[in-house]
This record gives sequence, C-alpha cells and structure tokens, in this order.
Amino acid sequence: QSVLTQPPSVSGAPGQRVTISCSGDSFNIGAGYDVHWYQQFPGTAPKLLISINNNRPSGVLDRFSGSKSGTSASLAITALQAEDEADYYCQSYDSSLSGREAVFGGGTKLTVL
Amino acid sequence: QVQLQESGPGLVKPSGTLSLTCAVSGGSISSSHWWSWVRQPPGKGLEWIGEVYHTGSTTYIPSLKGRVTISVDKSRNQFSLRLTSVTAADTAVYYCARQAAVAGNPFDYWGQGTLVTVSS
Repeated sequence: QSVLTQPPSVSGAPGQRVTISCSGDSFNIGAGYDVHWYQQFPGTAPKLLISINNNRPSGVLDRFSGSKSGTSASLAITALQAEDEADYYCQSYDSSLSGREAVFGGGTKLTVL
Repeated sequence: QVQLQESGPGLVKPSGTLSLTCAVSGGSISSSHWWSWVRQPPGKGLEWIGEVYHTGSTTYIPSLKGRVTISVDKSRNQFSLRLTSVTAADTAVYYCARQAAVAGNPFDYWGQGTLVTVSS
C-alpha cells in the first residue's frame, strides 16, 4: 500500500495527451512538500523526469509537464509517442514521527496504443 | 557527471544479512546531499529504505527500523546498506541514489541497481 496513490495504468494513442494523477494527503503533498516524477523503462533505473512540481531537468522534452494542487499532483504527456511507453512514479516526502521520509506512488504503466 | 555503482552479493540466505555498497564517482560524498537506498521487488513499485548525510546522520523507513543500517565512508567516497534478518520479502533490485541539494530534494542520480535474492 503506497502512501501516494496513482492509477495502475493509463493508455493513449500516438499524438494524444495523457495525464497521470498522484494523490496524497495533508502529511505529504498537502503539507507543502514538492512532487517529483520519474520515468522507468524495464530493466533500468528510474530517471528524474520532472522535479519540484514542474521543472524539467536538462534533456527532458517539453512534452512532459507537471502540476500540483492541494493534496494532489499530475503529470501530463502531450503528443504521445511510442517511446514514452514506460512506468511513471510520483515521489514526495512525508512527515512522520521519525522525521521526513521519502514516499513514492505505486507507479503507473503507460501503454501507447 | 556523478555516477553511482552498487556492489554486493546477489544471493543471501534467509535470516542472514544483506550488505551492499554504493561507490560514488564524479562528486564528493561530503557535498551537501543526502544519499539514499531505494528498492524495487520484482514486478512492483519503488520503496525508499533510508538516507544518510556525510555527517553520519540517518533517517530510515519505520517498517525497517531495527533491521536497517546505512553508513557513510568518506575516505572511500561510498555509502553502505546493511539489512539484517532478511526474508524472501526482501528480494528486490536495490538502487542507491543521490538527493539533489535543491528545494524539494529530488533523486537526481541513480545507480544501475543490483538484484538481491533471498533464498536458501
């Protein structure tokens, strides 16, 4: 059971726009912690895709964008391409008795039809 | 360019101890970053295990407290993970990662990951 909730899967046709949601609560996203997004291809390490809600690291295309509101965040991918097919994870931090813990969503598998 | 490389046994017996090391190159482990371990069971999602700062300060996920130790070796520019009393549930790909020293602290660099199987 992940602290952050993502849909297990989303799909879209090439050229379409898809969004992936990430839902938290008042102890993580709602507490003001930033949300980051990672892209992971099978057999490889996750790669930082979007940081601090909507910042793209160097080399990440502007087809990827993020947003955050209240206790939720979302990742949008426009002009969908076959090479976007991958797993996507949101990540934030959570306030706990032991301090600040990093938390991930359960991941969303994107299928390009 | 910062690079992280995990190393350690790929097979650990049940009730044994899992020990992994992450070698950092292209940057200093004494810089203003937190260094983390993240694991991913086969076919499942990512789980943060814990983090260490170069001062030795650590934070661990509550569910593993008592079994996990993360330490830093500044002389070798590396940090390590030790997980005791392992069971099959600890079978996973283990990644080491760096948290960026910017607002929000995203994981900006990752190792390639190493599969650790717990089995007799």
